[in-house]
Amino acid sequence: AQKVTQAQTEISVVEKEDVTLDCVYETRDTTYYLFWYKQPPSGELVFLIRRNSFDEQNEISGRYSWNFQKSTSSFNFTITASQVVDSAVYFCALSEALNNNAGNMLTFGGGTRLMVKP
Amino acid sequence: DAGITQSPRHKVTETGTPVTLRCHQTENHRYMYWYRQDPGHGLRLIHYSYGVKDTDKGEVSDGYSVSRSKTEDFLLTLESATSSQTSVYFCAIREDGTGETGELFFGEGSRLTVL
Repeated sequence: AQKVTQAQTEISVVEKEDVTLDCVYETRDTTYYLFWYKQPPSGELVFLIRRNSFDEQNEISGRYSWNFQKSTSSFNFTITASQVVDSAVYFCALSEALNNNAGNMLTFGGGTRLMVKP
Repeated sequence: DAGITQSPRHKVTETGTPVTLRCHQTENHRYMYWYRQDPGHGLRLIHYSYGVKDTDKGEVSDGYSVSRSKTEDFLLTLESATSSQTSVYFCAIREDGTGETGELFFGEGSRLTVL
């Protein structure tokens, strides 16, 4: 069975600090997909990134970067120069391929609450 | 904007009463999902649908039923609500054409309190 662990339940940083959110996953599949979602205080879930298991290249999008390491089953998320608007709960999720009827059954980690103080 | 609307957004009810949450999408995507969000558990899948009248159970389906009689609507029913079903419920869709593991897009959530 697949499992996602986000060991950090809460992180507090001061604005402009860099912060890394950890995500460790378990799966028996060789083909799988990893996701990150952001949930700001307003409550909606915002998709950030999807990564497949065959692509270990790190990805950067502005102040956000993701480090995928199959050797350690980790898909960590770093925010550089954090801002108050980054304050949110961040979820890591995993999807195994393929359940033909289910489309994409995401398994979520418990989430990490990030608080960025001015 | 994936065009997902959940109703009601907030509901308080009493133990033992039936409750139905509605998810409506405007773009007729095939796949729809119901998740619940609880502290420490992230989001957990309750039921999903892969077409009209085609539904199946997720990880935490006990006490819930679903129906999909039209492509655009996916209903989640609690036949007899219990306090353990107090949660925030999210509907999600997967856009057609994004592949079997495309990202999900979520509605705004429905907060249910069972007293």
